[in-house]
Amino acid sequence: RKEVEQDPGPFNVPEGATVAFNCTYSNSASQSFFWYRQDCRKEPKLLMSVYSSGNEDGRFTAQLNRASQYISLLIRDSKLSDSATYLCVVIGSARQLTFGSGTQLTVLP
Amino acid sequence: EAQVTQNPRYLITVTGKKLTVTCSQNMNHEYMSWYRQDPGLGLRQIYYSMNVEVTDKGDVPEGYKVSRKEKRNFPLILESPSPNQTSLYFCASSSLQMGKAFFGQGTRLTVV
Repeated sequence: RKEVEQDPGPFNVPEGATVAFNCTYSNSASQSFFWYRQDCRKEPKLLMSVYSSGNEDGRFTAQLNRASQYISLLIRDSKLSDSATYLCVVIGSARQLTFGSGTQLTVLP
Repeated sequence: EAQVTQNPRYLITVTGKKLTVTCSQNMNHEYMSWYRQDPGLGLRQIYYSMNVEVTDKGDVPEGYKVSRKEKRNFPLILESPSPNQTSLYFCASSSLQMGKAFFGQGTRLTVV
């Protein structure tokens, strides 16, 4: 079983839709969690950290469920510019970064 | 400006010709790592380093070497490149306390 698993998609949604991605992790000792965004052929960039209490940044909401060992990203009111690949990142007790394989999102006009 | 610099950005080489991809960061980060990204496979970690002179294998280390003689530099070495190493490579650095990773712009390597 992979340490971090994501549904690869692709997710094709119309503008204005709400879309959610999940990411599961296998190591219960994992300490920190992030969502990154990657545009085609470019480097991944940090989208947001994920806190235990859940956190929101504009149209984006991230949540962590330690009991079930997953993190989620919710995007409300999707824009064309949200089209990208979204990667979850988990940092384990040894401080090693482990990336999910990414979920591809395309927002359609 | 905080950044991770990779060179070269693009490289076409022939099988067996040794090459080095350089990676340098100016943030005094302890943690540095190399990834390759292939269609449908996502980012796979090649090697990582927790600090100077401390390196360890990631998920796909075969055919690669690294060194960490200085904190800021973490070169990736392909002693004898093969076509299956054609890929997009990213270097990343991170503070062990913060966790947030900064990526280089990527190196697109083609081995013919």
